Amino acid sequence: EDQVTQSPEALRLQEGESSSLNCSYTVSGLRGLFWYRQDPGKGPEFLFTLYSAGEEKEKERLKATLTKKESFLHITAPKPEDSATYLCAVQEIGNEKLTFGTGTRLTIIP
Amino acid sequence: GAVVSQHPSWVICKSGTSVKIECRSLDFQATTMFWYRQFPKQSLMLMATSNEGSKATYEQGVEKDKFLINHASLTLSTLTVTSAHPEDSSFYICGAGTGGNEQYFGPGTRLTVT
Repeated sequence: EDQVTQSPEALRLQEGESSSLNCSYTVSGLRGLFWYRQDPGKGPEFLFTLYSAGEEKEKERLKATLTKKESFLHITAPKPEDSATYLCAVQEIGNEKLTFGTGTRLTIIP
Repeated sequence: GAVVSQHPSWVICKSGTSVKIECRSLDFQATTMFWYRQFPKQSLMLMATSNEGSKATYEQGVEKDKFLINHASLTLSTLTVTSAHPEDSSFYICGAGTGGNEQYFGPGTRLTVT
């Protein structure tokens, strides 16, 4: 059974203070690893898909990286508007289903 | 692109009544649609997967007679919560797959059963 563990559960940063969120996973065959952002009372917003170890993707202040066992979401010089819950999900080869982690609640303090 | 809508965005119903939630992919055809439930401060839990024109596949522990799913077309899926009870109160989110890898999500529907 696929498993996804995210850490930390919650993270408070000062504006401009860079950090990383972790997503550890176990899956029999990885089709893709996904990062989403979710604001309170809203559906998840797609950020990145990573397919193979060593792959990196960037979008504004966010960069996602992937190894064979984990993914990191690096946030550089965050702003208050980056405050949200960041969700990681994995997709197994041959299956469209996503298995989600419990998320990291990120708060950026002005 | 890849916009998914849900209706209603919130609904309050009395215990024992049924509620229907619609999910539409607005600018693409969704070969597969997924229904999730999310409790406060918890992650998304997949309830069922549906393909257009075929019966939905339910996850273990999800009552198929209680949560009726219809995937009438490549742009519309509905979830009907039958004989709702207070424990069914939750945030319901649909996801739409394009047949590739990505899955795009609707804004969610907050259901409160009194």
